[in-house]
Amino acid sequence: QQQVKQSPQSLIVQKGGISIINCAYENTAFDYFPWYQQFPGKGPALLIAIRPDVSEKKEGRFTISFNKSAKQFSLHIMDSQPGDSATYFCAASRVGNEKLTFGTGTRLTIIP
Amino acid sequence: GAVVSQHPSRVICKSGTSVKIECRSLDFQATTMFWYRQFPKQSLMLMATSNEGSKATYEQGVEKDKFLINHASLTLSTLTVTSAHPEDSSFYICSARAEYNSPLHFGNGTRLTVT
Repeated sequence: QQQVKQSPQSLIVQKGGISIINCAYENTAFDYFPWYQQFPGKGPALLIAIRPDVSEKKEGRFTISFNKSAKQFSLHIMDSQPGDSATYFCAASRVGNEKLTFGTGTRLTIIP
Repeated sequence: GAVVSQHPSRVICKSGTSVKIECRSLDFQATTMFWYRQFPKQSLMLMATSNEGSKATYEQGVEKDKFLINHASLTLSTLTVTSAHPEDSSFYICSARAEYNSPLHFGNGTRLTVT
């Protein structure tokens, strides 16, 4: 059962534009929502994470927006750069359970 | 920051042989480590949770006799793929966290190819 749905599967954005990736979850017990960035042949690297007590978190060009009632959260990459080209995974977990459930991934390509 | 080291990064083995993959937490102690498997262009699937000093907890559908996990110390967990077959070819990634509720950090993965 896919508990975290991610879209789109792939995304092409022009340099300087805004990249937006969306995730939706089913389990209302989830209370930790990280985003990971993965380059080919490498393990995922934590990008930014949010807990449901806030609706938005910003770190540099990366922002997470969180909508608890809709059970949705999204990643926004401002001023997208070619170096941002990678696969992005959203994930979710809950207090007391350290397992992360990952979304299906979004392959982001930033074109000049 | 917390660093998780995985070795080897790539391994090619013949069908029927066993392969051991190491996962180390370099600058912190990890009582729990996680092993994931990732097929090309797909998401990460949790295989098992490795607990220091006790047996690993396997996810449904993962053969514990095929994927042996040992977590002998607070900084080392190993995954042994026994009697490997071509269908075991995949990208295996470990992860760990320094303390409860802290971010999960991943190793750089091991690309296993079984010929």
